Amino acid sequence: EVQLVESGGGVVQPGESLRLSCAASGFNLGNYWMHWVRRAPGKGLVWVSRISSDGSSKAYADSVKGRFTISRDIAKNTLYLEMNSLRVEDSAVYFCTRDIFKPGPRGGENWFDPWGQGTLVTVSS
Amino acid sequence: QSVLTQPPSASGTRGQRVSISCSGSRSDIGTNTVNWYQQLPGSAPKLLIYSTNQRPSGVPERFSGSKSGTSASLAISGLQSEDEGDYYCASWDDSLNAWVFGGGTELTVL
Repeated sequence: EVQLVESGGGVVQPGESLRLSCAASGFNLGNYWMHWVRRAPGKGLVWVSRISSDGSSKAYADSVKGRFTISRDIAKNTLYLEMNSLRVEDSAVYFCTRDIFKPGPRGGENWFDPWGQGTLVTVSS
Repeated sequence: QSVLTQPPSASGTRGQRVSISCSGSRSDIGTNTVNWYQQLPGSAPKLLIYSTNQRPSGVPERFSGSKSGTSASLAISGLQSEDEGDYYCASWDDSLNAWVFGGGTELTVL
């Protein structure tokens, strides 16, 4: 069964750091692009970051660029999100999700499946 | 503020048909396919519709997706109480070089 399990969330003060983990099972991280998406309280889903299947390409939302780092450990089949200089507005449930790509005439199509259950990050003084 | 625009709420009675809209621009929905995700209370988001109008295996036929120009729509027919939850549209944005989501629509079954 394909499954993603996040961990590492918690309560921290502004300016502190946290590392989230996403353990994958049922598939190899090295074969898929992976993403982090977050949902702040009372708000909608927001894409945060992604890493390519070979780990060579990474991208971030403007709101976290320079503060967050995405990485993965293929041997542990685990995805990470290192979060530094945390702000109150980073408070959210963080989800990891797998990118599914289907080649097509216009380059291809992508969607996210499955998603983990999420881990809660609270940044508060 | 989300890049894609959805109504914050929608409702219908059991058995009814409801539709949720998702409005974007030329660089996202106007150019790329749309995916829909369902998040039931206390659960992880779940893929509901991919490639604008395709249902993953296990998703009932009463869920359907469509797109016209820079807008997309999710239709749910034969509404059931277990459909209550949040629904999100998503698309790739060529200008932002990022995935963009709608703000989510909370569906209530009366």
